[in-house]
Amino acid sequence: EAGVAQSPRYKIIEKRQSVAFWCNPISGHATLYWYQQILGQGPKLLIQFQNNGVVDDSQLPKDRFSAERLKGVDSTLKIQPAKLEDSAVYLCASSLVREGYGYTFGSGTRLTVV
Amino acid sequence: AQKVTQAQTEISVVEKEDVTLDCVYETRDTTYYLFWYKQPPSGELVFLIRRNSFDEQNEISGRYSWNFQKSTSSFNFTITASQVVDSAVYFCALPSASGAGSYQLTFGKGTKLSVIP
Repeated sequence: EAGVAQSPRYKIIEKRQSVAFWCNPISGHATLYWYQQILGQGPKLLIQFQNNGVVDDSQLPKDRFSAERLKGVDSTLKIQPAKLEDSAVYLCASSLVREGYGYTFGSGTRLTVV
Repeated sequence: AQKVTQAQTEISVVEKEDVTLDCVYETRDTTYYLFWYKQPPSGELVFLIRRNSFDEQNEISGRYSWNFQKSTSSFNFTITASQVVDSAVYFCALPSASGAGSYQLTFGKGTKLSVIP
């Protein structure tokens, strides 16, 4: 089975610019997560979708971050405007509902804000 | 609130040595799972194992073994006869229900393991 696909793999932007990341989950996985991993730390949940609805976005900085999951399949995470502290790896993960913790992570997008 | 502590930031061992990675957790849940993930330089998080708080029996899988002690809130991970391919960052994680039958993971800061040939 194909894994969780993410693009781009790397992105370098200047502060105050905007950027978007794309994630295509495993086929049939209803739940999709975006995590932010700052260098030297563990991943932290930003937002969780089930199908095309938001389950939890309490840790998403909504003044600059937005995410959508149209049609309950792939998802886009956007940052506008970017700050230096947004430099991190953005990981997408997906799972079946009630699978008993069957998370699968993508390889992530490494963002550098200069 | 959920909390996971991995006190070891970096560990270096010579190939074929055994190495133990420590994990201490805090949770108010009476039943819970714990996970270990491996993150190689490619960046993808690879699931290694999950344990249920009901089951404190230690487990061995090939060169990997886990020591879960509920009394001390620890879930340690040992690699026997380490290999260069084991070089990675290892994360301990604690899930919490986030509604709609799904859950979110609270990760520790990770332990970077370097295996020297």
